[in-house]
Amino acid sequence: AQSVSQHNHHVILSEAASLELGCNYSYGGTVNLFWYVQYPGQHLQLLLKYFSGDPLVKGIKGFEAEFIKSKFSFNLRKPSVQWSDTAEYFCAVIPTGGGNKLTFGTGTQLKVEL
Amino acid sequence: SQTIHQWPATLVQPVGSPLSLECTVEGTSNPNLYWYRQAAGRGLQLLFYSVGIGQISSEVPQNLSASRPQDRQFILSSKKLLLSDSGFYLCAWSVPQLGSPLHFGNGTRLTVT
Repeated sequence: AQSVSQHNHHVILSEAASLELGCNYSYGGTVNLFWYVQYPGQHLQLLLKYFSGDPLVKGIKGFEAEFIKSKFSFNLRKPSVQWSDTAEYFCAVIPTGGGNKLTFGTGTQLKVEL
Repeated sequence: SQTIHQWPATLVQPVGSPLSLECTVEGTSNPNLYWYRQAAGRGLQLLFYSVGIGQISSEVPQNLSASRPQDRQFILSSKKLLLSDSGFYLCAWSVPQLGSPLHFGNGTRLTVT
């Protein structure tokens, strides 16, 4: 079955540490890729997205993600996390021809400690 | 600006009772509308997807149904709730363009007892 996998369910980092959250998908064709973030007590919101072109995508708050087609991956990175990055992060995929229906991964809970 | 309203925020219902969760969007026309269920450790599961009035796509077999009686109104229903229907339900909208970001409501915490 087509799916999106986020293998890190819980990540704990100290401030200023580097972050990389994994995301893999199983669709065989062209895809559109997204990262959403849910800060405590807030709505889910879009962090960044990839449609085509440069596989390195930059989003808000210093986040970036790299699309590696050969690995079916779209990992999220940030060079130096802050306490305010504590949130749950969701990878999501729209396969081409799938309308605008997002399939989300299971999410990664990130806790940044001071 | 566009806003999305979802209610109620919390709901406790006995097994076998009916359900009606409502979602409305303001400030946009002909939006795509979505119902997701969010469960801890399981991410967001798309339940229903609508591209227009009366057009509902059911994504997973389940005890729930959805309706879109008006352009900006999306209703999640059940005739008889099961314990397994407990969860956190999110309504969302997007402009009808591929890759458009989803905008989520505040969600409804449903507990079936």
